[in-house]
Amino acid sequence: DTEVTQTPKHLVMGMTNKKSLKCEQHMGHRAMYWYKQKAKKPPELMFVYSYEKLSINESVPSRFSPECPNSSLLNLHLHALQPEDSALYLCASSQRGTSGYEQYFGPGTRLTVT
Amino acid sequence: SQQGEEDPQALSIQEGENATMNCSYKTSINNLQWYRQNSGRGLVHLILIRSNEREKHSGRLRVTLDTSKKSSSLLITASRAADTASYFCATDWGSQGNLIFGKGTKLSVKP
Repeated sequence: DTEVTQTPKHLVMGMTNKKSLKCEQHMGHRAMYWYKQKAKKPPELMFVYSYEKLSINESVPSRFSPECPNSSLLNLHLHALQPEDSALYLCASSQRGTSGYEQYFGPGTRLTVT
Repeated sequence: SQQGEEDPQALSIQEGENATMNCSYKTSINNLQWYRQNSGRGLVHLILIRSNEREKHSGRLRVTLDTSKKSSSLLITASRAADTASYFCATDWGSQGNLIFGKGTKLSVKP
């Protein structure tokens, strides 16, 4: 199984809502990533978990809160988002959280903040 | 910013022609990777070339890396309509494997 799954596919939320994005992989990968991608732009790294520990936080606002319950699951909790946070949120995994490994991406969650 | 720059930003060719995309970056790297993204979907890894390699092939893909010029190119031979997508280079420069993506080239292959 070389698939990374993400739910939901689409999410519309108000600025006062709390929601969560979910990501799952069953490839035995020990590193998982969250990226944000705005339209016609490249993906931008938000968070990296390596061996279930947060290893990189790219100065992301606290209204985004990542969680890694176990080595297969990655969540992104959303609270009090702004309209400019509307984007495609991509999850990825790689065999190790070190240099030299390709990343496997999920299909993304299209988030719209109203 | 260490973000790579790709050129051209957009490329339109006929089926059967070759497509060449270029990527430049700013810092020393461990390796460089190329990814494809179909419209609004996840990215698919195409090829990884290490900093001590100069050329790599995978099927119809040929990647070159010139670390002295801090540049890479991706050649897709005998293109097909299904190759229509955005192509990103991504540099792996730290110890933790995090990638910095270039701005991408949008390729359109017309049947």
